[in-house]
Amino acid sequence: AQKVTQAQTEISVVEKEDVTLDCVYETRDTTYYLFWYKQPPSGELVFLIRRNSFDEQNEISGRYSWNFQKSTSSFNFTITASQVVDSAVYFCALSEAGYGQNFVFGPGTRLSVLP
Amino acid sequence: GAGVSQSPSNKVTEKGKDVELRCDPISGHTALYWYRQRLGQGLEFLIYFQGNSAPDKSGLPSDRFSAERTGESVSTLTIQRTQQEDSAVYLCASSSGVLVTDTQYFGPGTRLTVL
Repeated sequence: AQKVTQAQTEISVVEKEDVTLDCVYETRDTTYYLFWYKQPPSGELVFLIRRNSFDEQNEISGRYSWNFQKSTSSFNFTITASQVVDSAVYFCALSEAGYGQNFVFGPGTRLSVLP
Repeated sequence: GAGVSQSPSNKVTEKGKDVELRCDPISGHTALYWYRQRLGQGLEFLIYFQGNSAPDKSGLPSDRFSAERTGESVSTLTIQRTQQEDSAVYLCASSSGVLVTDTQYFGPGTRLTVL
């Protein structure tokens, strides 16, 4: 069975601080995909990144970076120099199979960036 | 609009009543998903449509839940004899294909409150 854990329920930081959101996953498959989505107050989930299990290279996109470590089954997300607009709920998700309906989402981490 | 739209944005109903939630996917997207998001939790997969194929209903929690989709257009999620535990945000997503690598685009959701 697949499972995603986001141990941090809520995080508050002051603008310009760096913040890391943790994601730990469980799966028995060797082929799987990991995702991060952002859910701002408007409610619509916004896709941030997809990573397959064969690609452990870390990725940086502007102020966002992702650290994928298969050895610890973690896929952590770091926001550098946080901004108020980063305030949202962030979801980590896992899909074992190749089809879109097999997503398992974590419970989410609510990030509040204070001015 | 260019994105996924859902209506109504909010629905308050009394226990035992039936409700219908609507989703308009992005034009041309063949795949459509319904999810349920309970307060403070991640998304739960409910049902998935792909073109004219039989839908994947494996996530529907009970026979009170049903959904329809006509071709590759609008979908309606119906909850009969609503219960208080049905209170949640119902999210719809669409994608251009069925694979997990086909990004899902989410609507803003319908917040259902059952009194």
